[in-house]
Amino acid sequence: DTGVSQNPRHKITKRGQNVTFRCDPISEHNRLYWYRQTLGQGPEFLTYFQNEAQLEKSRLLSDRFSAERPKGSFSTLEIQRTEQGDSAMYLCASSDSPGGVNTEAFFGQGTRLTVV
Amino acid sequence: TQLLEQSPQFLSIQEGENLTVYCNSSSVFSSLQWYRQEPGEGPVLLVTVVTGGEVKKLKRLTFQFGDARKDSSLHITAAQPGDTGLYLCAGGYRDDYKLSFGAGTTVTVRA
Repeated sequence: DTGVSQNPRHKITKRGQNVTFRCDPISEHNRLYWYRQTLGQGPEFLTYFQNEAQLEKSRLLSDRFSAERPKGSFSTLEIQRTEQGDSAMYLCASSDSPGGVNTEAFFGQGTRLTVV
Repeated sequence: TQLLEQSPQFLSIQEGENLTVYCNSSSVFSSLQWYRQEPGEGPVLLVTVVTGGEVKKLKRLTFQFGDARKDSSLHITAAQPGDTGLYLCAGGYRDDYKLSFGAGTTVTVRA
């Protein structure tokens, strides 16, 4: 296992179409995060899973967005009826549960979404 | 709105020069991470600091966490073109596992 894997790396879609992204975390990590990054900004938190439970969702995650992690392993992020404002880099990250204050996360290479 | 403010936004220097980038917040963090990101790639974790006043060194990179755990700095000695990238700081809170990122400092090291 070499790290967090995301696919596809790039996705171009027409406005109004649905898209789905996949993330495979580091195998022993039970926490999985989705972030979104737009040009000139740092990543912004979207949602977080501990095992298969989705424990937190940002207000950035509108009703058109849904994320799942059905068996506590890989996760999918679906965007329905895409809009041009959804164009961004979607980043997945994972971490283990060391306890204490350490919240460091390891990121995948991201999926670049372009909505035309 | 980014909770963490990074400065400068852009930095361009000649190979061999030193540079410092800053990360400031009005919030107290339990931990702070520094990442480097290259175009089209995800952020790569460089270091985590958790103790106020802590200094960590990673080869030519020196990271410092402020005494009050509200700010941090990254100093690069004798910069090389391979240091080029977007440097991001991210703060974490105890029992809140998400990270809050700054907007980043884009560093360009010219050969």
